[in-house]
Amino acid sequence: GAGVSQSPSNKVTEKGKDVELRCDPISGHTALYWYRQSLGQGLEFLIYFQGNSAPDKSGLPSDRFSAERTGGSVSTLTIQRTQQEDSAVYLCASSLSRRDGNTIYFGEGSWLTVV
Amino acid sequence: AQSVTQLGSHVSVSEGALVLLRCNYSSSVPPYLFWYVQYPNQGLQLLLKYTTGATLVKGINGFEAEFKKSETSFHLTKPSAHMSDAAEYFCAVTAYNDMRFGAGTRLTVKP
Repeated sequence: GAGVSQSPSNKVTEKGKDVELRCDPISGHTALYWYRQSLGQGLEFLIYFQGNSAPDKSGLPSDRFSAERTGGSVSTLTIQRTQQEDSAVYLCASSLSRRDGNTIYFGEGSWLTVV
Repeated sequence: AQSVTQLGSHVSVSEGALVLLRCNYSSSVPPYLFWYVQYPNQGLQLLLKYTTGATLVKGINGFEAEFKKSETSFHLTKPSAHMSDAAEYFCAVTAYNDMRFGAGTRLTVKP
């Protein structure tokens, strides 16, 4: 597709369950980012992938969060044993590369609600 | 590390009035600066960006921003607000291949 695609767009899950969120970046973009946006809050950086390099996981809030990027394209963010504080919008973004000045393009987000 | 401060979490203007959303940055190297807009229930969309060259940058929907190095600012303006401008606006800075976002400013436009 022309833009960053995320699925599911909405997810309601029970506390303690695992969830997977998927991101399909813009074709040709080597850099992929995950951000979290809680209600009324700004963007919290989670993780970043650049090509085949080791990901920058410095923003992951706990070891319940993990992400992978297969074949340098699609990425999956996994949250294990979800907690209510995990409820947020998870935004995926991509850019040509992680280089100053390159525009980061965002998807529509996956709205996660933990009940 | 670089950082961004957006002054005012909420700004309210009347339709037709000037829009001014403030952004100040901190960076030890020449920064690249961005403004993004987020409409309700949507992702972020690029409004405009400054990389090098002309310090007055024009973006979509009639918005523009001016990079002022001496003031470390990159304020976003629009001469005349429209109801459709109601949204959340985020300023961002990149340096050393790391993008940092401000906390956002919610713009309300009153009829």
